[in-house]
Amino acid sequence: ETGVTQTPRHLVMGMTNKKSLKCEQHLGHNAMYWYKQSAKKPLELMFVYNFKEQTENNSVPSRFSPECPNSSHLFLHLHTLQPEDSALYLCASSPSSYNEQFFGPGTRLTVL
Amino acid sequence: GESVGLHLPTLSVQEGDNSIINCAYSNSASDYFIWYKQESGKGPQFIIDIRSNMDKRQGQRVTVLLNKTVKHLSLQIAATQPGDSAVYFCAENINGNQFYFGTGTSLTVIP
Repeated sequence: ETGVTQTPRHLVMGMTNKKSLKCEQHLGHNAMYWYKQSAKKPLELMFVYNFKEQTENNSVPSRFSPECPNSSHLFLHLHTLQPEDSALYLCASSPSSYNEQFFGPGTRLTVL
Repeated sequence: GESVGLHLPTLSVQEGDNSIINCAYSNSASDYFIWYKQESGKGPQFIIDIRSNMDKRQGQRVTVLLNKTVKHLSLQIAATQPGDSAVYFCAENINGNQFYFGTGTSLTVIP
């Protein structure tokens, strides 16, 4: 049990849908991250939050919109996605920015 | 940008043998490294880390070696077990900034 949970675990959506991914960490960490994991590619950092403030946005398209209401919760709002956005989306947390990161199980997203 | 890569995309070992997974990194300023294990359907799981002021670090059945001269990192798994079958990847960090991850090596343990 890593202490980082993600819901849903699987999501299938059309290109016109709006959906949200949720991440929750029970570790008391101050930093949270969204990563995208595609087949045969390294993990791609998308967003970083430190103490609820976004500190990094790695040129992510605006169809991905993060939200961090508190240090324990992180959301990724999705709208008008493309098929190439299909991937495993991983949430992670760490005590502070870029310490050892603890990952959740991921949400397997399929965009039709 | 950073480049972290693994020498072999797949590795098969007999149960009970030792496994060695390699990782090359490109930035000599990298000062912190982590090995992760990712099983099918799960998120990456921390295995072991090492800082650049060390050459070797041991955990339970795992050892990480760091060769800064050639910018090379390896993970050694002793007495490999079927439960060790997974994708392993390394991550490098410079001065507490963004981690850069490798693509991973798929380890298969043959019973």
